[in-house]
Amino acid sequence: EDQVTQSPEALRLQEGESSSLNCSYTVSGLRGLFWYRQDPGKGPEFLFTLYSAGEEKEKERLKATLTKKESFLHITAPKPEDSATYLCAVLYSSRLTFGEGTQLTVNP
Amino acid sequence: KAGVTQTPRYLIKTRGQQVTLSCSPISGHRSVSWYQQTPGQGLQFLFEYFSETQRNKGNFPGRFSGRQFSNSRSEMNVSTLELGDSALYLCASSDSLDTQYFGPGTRLTVL
Repeated sequence: EDQVTQSPEALRLQEGESSSLNCSYTVSGLRGLFWYRQDPGKGPEFLFTLYSAGEEKEKERLKATLTKKESFLHITAPKPEDSATYLCAVLYSSRLTFGEGTQLTVNP
Repeated sequence: KAGVTQTPRYLIKTRGQQVTLSCSPISGHRSVSWYQQTPGQGLQFLFEYFSETQRNKGNFPGRFSGRQFSNSRSEMNVSTLELGDSALYLCASSDSLDTQYFGPGTRLTVL
């Protein structure tokens, strides 16, 4: 059975303090690993798709990387508006299996 | 392009009633998936439709059902509502490139 585990569950950063979120997964036949951002009461917002080990994607202050067992979401010099829950998911046979998410709070 | 839309945004029902939620995918997307999000269980896959056919189904009881129309719009139905069905129901659409784009969700409260 596909499993996705995210850590930490919650993370508090000061504005400008860089850090990384972890997503470890076990899945047979990975078709893609996805990162989403979710604000309270809203649907997840797509950030990145990664398909193979060694792949990296960047968008503004965010950078996602992928190995055979885990993915990292690196946040460089975060701002308060980066506060949200970040969700990782793996795709198998058209269904996404999500981790529990990391709730990020960035204080000014 | 307009994003995924879901109606209604909020719904209050009582136990034993049934409910129908609607989802309009991004134009050109033929796959629609439904997910349930609760604080205790997180995001869980309900089912996926492609070209009016259910391709995949999650581990939910038969009270949860869905369908897709020829214009790719989708509905999900929950019959005989239980308190535990209170959740945010999310619809996502995708094209052949696998990335799923989510709508804003329907917040269902069962009293």
